[in-house]
Amino acid sequence: GENVEQHPSTLSVQEGDSAVIKCTYSDSASNYFPWYKQELGKRPQLIIDIRSNVGEKKDQRIAVTLNKTAKHFSLHITETQPEDSAVYFCAAKGDYKLSFGAGTTVTVRA
Amino acid sequence: DGGITQSPKYLFRKEGQNVTLSCEQNLNHDAMYWYRQDPGQGLRLIYYSQIVNDFQKGDIAEGYSVSREKKESFPLTVTSAQKNPTAFYLCASSIRTGWLAGELFFGEGSRLTVL
Repeated sequence: GENVEQHPSTLSVQEGDSAVIKCTYSDSASNYFPWYKQELGKRPQLIIDIRSNVGEKKDQRIAVTLNKTAKHFSLHITETQPEDSAVYFCAAKGDYKLSFGAGTTVTVRA
Repeated sequence: DGGITQSPKYLFRKEGQNVTLSCEQNLNHDAMYWYRQDPGQGLRLIYYSQIVNDFQKGDIAEGYSVSREKKESFPLTVTSAQKNPTAFYLCASSIRTGWLAGELFFGEGSRLTVL
């Protein structure tokens, strides 16, 4: 089955700096790569996603890039703000199942 | 107000007891899922269902059971056979599954503690 690895597990950034989280996947048939944000005590929510026919996608301060050849994808958050502090999960979907990475705890320092 | 409702939010159980977690959605989604969340391990899939009266095992199904008698309901039973049941359980749904599946909508979760 699909195996998704996510790095780093924790990330501390100064407010206004950028944050980058990287994920690798094992199943070359995976075709959908979402990113979820989970604030403390709340449910995970989709923040951005990308399909395998696209190399990059942006939505305001967040962007995701996908390298199908290398089987890795990354989340980029620019101009970080205190409300960006949360746990971020990457995921990859092949056939029917969505497999998640272990999560990255992002802390934005004021 | 559309969404996914999980209950109870907190549950305490004695060893050897079965417990059922409720998950109801009014989004008219075909697919429903149960995930288990443990610190440092992300979300692991327990069971999923693509349609009423059909469900499949996920990656960690041992010690769990589900049913899908109605489109809007997908209860999870944590049985006494589950060796380490203390965890945070998340139910989710999506419009469809398979190659065209997209966003998962999550419930607020149920925290189960075995005493």
